Amino acid sequence: EPEVTQTPSHQVTQMGQEVILRCVPISNHLYFYWYRQILGQKVEFLVSFYNNEISEKSEIFDDQFSVERPDGSNFTLKIRSTKLEDSAMYFCASRVGTGGGKDGYTFGSGTRLTVV
Amino acid sequence: RKEVEQDPGPFNVPEGATVAFNCTYSNSASQSFFWYRQDCRKEPKLLMSVYSSGNEDGRFTAQLNRASQYISLLIRDSKLSDSATYLCVVNKLGNTPLVFGKGTRLSVIA
Repeated sequence: EPEVTQTPSHQVTQMGQEVILRCVPISNHLYFYWYRQILGQKVEFLVSFYNNEISEKSEIFDDQFSVERPDGSNFTLKIRSTKLEDSAMYFCASRVGTGGGKDGYTFGSGTRLTVV
Repeated sequence: RKEVEQDPGPFNVPEGATVAFNCTYSNSASQSFFWYRQDCRKEPKLLMSVYSSGNEDGRFTAQLNRASQYISLLIRDSKLSDSATYLCVVNKLGNTPLVFGKGTRLSVIA
């Protein structure tokens, strides 16, 4: 079964440092997403990406965040200057996009980001 | 009012029991509805989509009531392996992002 692959599985970084989280979505999927989940909280939407541009972003996705699809396969999330409250599990997801929104997402196994 | 609200749980049930989870959503324009399952510190995984007519997949039955903006999931003959957090998930319109509830934790006990 096709998978969404995320690396690294765990990243520890110092406050103020930049981090890049990497994702390889399923190859024939058209829509890509980043979500995050703070420990004990709900899964929260960050940003969606379609046709090589951001299609929607949440209030969480401020100027510290950026996304890129540099080479047609990887999909990255960059946090420019990490804060303690950025500590969370970050999930990448993708979906085919032909079901009018009714097709489910496939999530990657996540990157646990710990900011110290 | 939260966009998606669920029973907080936890639900602790013996093997073989039937358990029901409820969920309400606030946006009447919501189009698509799902139940996801999330194991501890793992990614959400799609359990089933929820259709207006109701749908069943083995021991799992999902119902949708658009008038009441209410979604349910019924698990029959619970197994130990059903222990997880069950997430109610709603999609507002077309290709807009999924909105997650906080989830209901289920523990099935031998």
